[in-house]
Amino acid sequence: GQNIDQPTEMTATEGAIVQINCTYQTSGFNGLFWYQQHAGEAPTFLSYNVLDGLEEKGRFSSFLSRSKGYSYLLLKELQMKDSASYLCAVMDSNYQLIWGAGTKLIIKP
Amino acid sequence: IAGITQAPTSQILAAGRRMTLRCTQDMRHNAMYWYRQDLGLGLRLIHYSNTAGTTGKGEVPDGYSVSRANTDDFPLTLASAVPSQTSVYFCASSDSSLGFSGANVLTFGAGSRLTVL
Repeated sequence: GQNIDQPTEMTATEGAIVQINCTYQTSGFNGLFWYQQHAGEAPTFLSYNVLDGLEEKGRFSSFLSRSKGYSYLLLKELQMKDSASYLCAVMDSNYQLIWGAGTKLIIKP
Repeated sequence: IAGITQAPTSQILAAGRRMTLRCTQDMRHNAMYWYRQDLGLGLRLIHYSNTAGTTGKGEVPDGYSVSRANTDDFPLTLASAVPSQTSVYFCASSDSSLGFSGANVLTFGAGSRLTVL
């Protein structure tokens, strides 16, 4: 079966760096997405990786290793507004999105 | 403001009742989707539509139906609601005119919280 694994919850301190991991087992691979979802709100797009390596976008970076079935989202200079759930999703060979359950990130002052 | 509008925001419904969740987008996106989100689970695709006039079944289609009469609207109907359909429902769209590639980014509506008693 197809599976996306991410930690359920993480806690970090304001101003620090946090890495949220995502491992996947899917039928084929057509890219990996990260979305941010604040409580009670809609998910919003953060990043897309289809080739191995690091994609940097401001304070957020996303890394992909296709051979390891692994990605991480790196958040730097954490702010209180970064408290949210972070959703990892993989597009399989049929271009269907398989979603992880999300990682709830709690930022403490 | 361009985006997706969902209605109602929340609804409490008696089991056995019929309910339609509305979704309208003004971005002229070709593809639209309905997901449900339950605690501890990833988003699960209910139905999708790649273009006006066509629909397809997702991972969890049973008990739900959709229609796509035009580009902008994609309503989701529960013919006879059951308690297991209590969930938060998200409508989403993507611009598949970029080509059916993995780079298509989803834009989500704000969600409809449905409780079936």
